[in-house]
This record gives sequence, C-alpha cells and structure tokens, in this order.
Amino acid sequence: DADVTQTPRNRITKTGKRIMLECSQTKGHDRMYWYRQDPGLGLRLIYYSFDVKDINKGEISDGYSVSRQAQAKFSLSLESAIPNQTALYFCATRATGAGNEQFFGPGTRLTVL
Amino acid sequence: RKEVEQDPGPFNVPEGATVAFNCTYSNSASQSFFWYRQDCRKEPKLLMSVYSSGNEDGRFTAQLNRASQYISLLIRDSKLSDSATYLCVSSDKFYFGSGTKLNVKP
Repeated sequence: DADVTQTPRNRITKTGKRIMLECSQTKGHDRMYWYRQDPGLGLRLIYYSFDVKDINKGEISDGYSVSRQAQAKFSLSLESAIPNQTALYFCATRATGAGNEQFFGPGTRLTVL
Repeated sequence: RKEVEQDPGPFNVPEGATVAFNCTYSNSASQSFFWYRQDCRKEPKLLMSVYSSGNEDGRFTAQLNRASQYISLLIRDSKLSDSATYLCVSSDKFYFGSGTKLNVKP
C-alpha cells in the first residue's frame, strides 16, 4: 500500500462548486504540504502544516483553505472553484529535521469547467 | 525574485553525453537542498540531497556553491531513461524551482 494517498485521483467540476481534496499518510510524519502544478511552473506551495495545530500559508493560498484533521490527514478545499484552479495537485509529507526529504502522493488532477 | 530559480530548458542531449543543470537560490541561510526527478504528470521522487560541499551517487553528482548561491546537478553518461524534469527545492521553506526538462535522444 502507498504511504501517501490522495483522493480523488481525478475530478471534473463546475465553476462555483465546493471541492475537497484529501490526503492521508501512513509514514507517521508530522509535516504535510499541498502543492499545485501547472505546465511550466513547477510545484507551487499552497499550504503547509507542521502539526495538527500549526497551519501556514504558502506561496499561493488565495482561494484555498486546509484542515489538518489528524496527524495523518490533511485536506485541501476550494470553497468556490474557478477555471484557473484547474491543475495537478500534490500532497507531500515529511518528518521534522533539516535533512529529511518530502514524500509525495500520486496527485489529483482537477478540472474546473 | 523567486526563492529558487531554474533554467526550464529543455536540454536536448544525445545518449552518453554529460549534462549539468543549475539552480539558484535567494536565501543565503538555506542549509540544505534536494533534487527531485519528475516523470510526466507523475509525483516527484527524490534523486539526491545536497548538503555542504555536495553528494555523488553513481552517474549523478550534486554540488552546492554557497558563495554564488546555487546548486548544480551533473549527469554523466546520459541514458534514455534519464529523460524527465528535474526539480530543485530548498529545505527552509520547501519552495520548488520551476524544473528543468531533460530529453536524452538516441
């Protein structure tokens, strides 16, 4: 079983709908991250969480919100989806410590019509 | 200025060639960096970590130049399977560069 899972894997929705993307991990990591990826723009950090009570904005948080329901779960919400939020979304986890790398989920492909 | 910047490429090289990419960073306090490899529309996967002077793993060598604030990735004897996008990220905020696309041709 994968250590970092994302649901759904693909989603098509309409402008104005509320969407939630979910991320779960079995690695026991305390740090979790949400990124979006657009062609030619690499990964841009939306939000990150160092533990259940610590949520931080990233580079591009406008239009998004997050919830850290438990150490293992970090969800990303789009309250009112718009077409320019069409992207590939990745969740990542990481253990605390400067030398520890991130582990990524398989991604969620979101299309907003 | 972005925290981390990369030349997007693409770098088109023949099999067997040596190719190098650079990644510049703006925060002089950044302690460590990572190179990730990403295949088309797949999740990034760690290739190498970079601390202090550098790191080598087989055909891959990563180096850190603190004076000029860049990290580099050198790939020797390129294989067709090395074709991918290579992303760098600093460990202070985990902001990624835009990625450098490598195409290795037969």
